[in-house]
Amino acid sequence: DVKVTQSSRYLVKRTGEKVFLECVQDMDHENMFWYRQDPGLGLRLIYFSYDVKMKEKGDIPEGYSVSREKKERFSLILESASTNQTSMYLCASSLGASGGAQDTQYFGPGTRLTVL
Amino acid sequence: GNSVTQMEGPVTLSEEAFLTINCTYTATGYPSLFWYVQYPGEGLQLLLKATKADDKGSNKGFEATYRKETTSFHLEKGSVQVSDSAVYFCALITGTASKLTFGTGTRLQVTL
Repeated sequence: DVKVTQSSRYLVKRTGEKVFLECVQDMDHENMFWYRQDPGLGLRLIYFSYDVKMKEKGDIPEGYSVSREKKERFSLILESASTNQTSMYLCASSLGASGGAQDTQYFGPGTRLTVL
Repeated sequence: GNSVTQMEGPVTLSEEAFLTINCTYTATGYPSLFWYVQYPGEGLQLLLKATKADDKGSNKGFEATYRKETTSFHLEKGSVQVSDSAVYFCALITGTASKLTFGTGTRLQVTL
């Protein structure tokens, strides 16, 4: 079974803090993704990575950065957390070889981040 | 650009009732369509998919048919169970891209 793990289920931070969210997958997948999930807005893509040290902006990258130093690990960084970044953050990975409909994304359980 | 529109929730049904969750889409080219499910406290799981017009995806008693003429991919189940209570997301992908476009999600609550 594919396993995508996220470092924390719940996180509380203060405005202005630097926040790291970690994601690890154990299936040697090429692609990794970070989404945020908000009521009424569904899932929105923040960043994704298709290879080590490669990244592409998603739909809402402002206020975030990412790091992928190793294939299995993809980190989301909030350089200076703000209250409007309070949300559920979901990490996903996919094999990446063919792309498209054959490339199922597997999701982690999510991190609920609260910024006070 | 691509977009997915789902019916507003929550949807509340009694056990053994018939379920329909509507999903329509706008896409460039010919998308592949997906339903994902998120059970309480968990991440999303792929429920079913269809890759071309008139295809029917099915899994765990759920079905959805890719209707190109109405740009729809409605999710149906003949008899829901309490264990089906979850949030359901419709999504699409186009071509060989890796980026999914999601709808806003529909919460289903099934009661005894």
